[in-house]
Amino acid sequence: KAGVTQTPRYLIKTRGQQVTLSCSPISGHRSVSWYQQTPGQGLQFLFEYFSETQRNKGNFPGRFSGRQFSNSRSEMNVSTLELGDSALYLCASSLMGSGQNSPLHFGNGTRLTVT
Amino acid sequence: GENVEQHPSTLSVQEGDSAVIKCTYSDSASNYFPWYKQELGKGPQLIIDIRSNVGEKKDQRIAVTLNKTAKHFSLHITETQPEDSAVYFCAAGGAGSYQLTFGKGTKLSVIP
Repeated sequence: KAGVTQTPRYLIKTRGQQVTLSCSPISGHRSVSWYQQTPGQGLQFLFEYFSETQRNKGNFPGRFSGRQFSNSRSEMNVSTLELGDSALYLCASSLMGSGQNSPLHFGNGTRLTVT
Repeated sequence: GENVEQHPSTLSVQEGDSAVIKCTYSDSASNYFPWYKQELGKGPQLIIDIRSNVGEKKDQRIAVTLNKTAKHFSLHITETQPEDSAVYFCAAGGAGSYQLTFGKGTKLSVIP
């Protein structure tokens, strides 16, 4: 079974630009979560989607948004990029969502660098 | 919200020795506690998890213990091998929250 696929692996953007990251979950998984990983803050929850509905959102500004499509694939968007948005963005999929007797499986992430 | 503290931040052990990583959590509603291993350039990989109705769980050289009263849980790795070298994260989650709160990670180095 193919794992969680994230594209692209690396991105370099300039301050003020916007970026879209993509995630394809494991086949059959309906929940997709996004996390931001930085050396200082560790892994921080961005949002979770299930069947195209956002069920939970972390404490991030409105510049961070996401969506999920009917095939469970998900995208996240960051607008008006800031230097502090430089991070590894991780997508995780699960059957029903974290805590619902279905573990999270992570992709290898998209490394975003903002200059 | 939930807060997860993880100790130590770095740990060096000799090959064949045991390693123990400890985490505490703050939200008594949390009932799911996974552990992840992250190798360089890769995403976190689930290695073991435990739910609040279980006190201990083992999988070959890896074991996790949970003390709900004290709100802490620990990862035990026995007979460590060089390939165990990685960053380990604990996390806590609860039914209905759909999110995990992670500890800051422990960098484990196994010295051959």
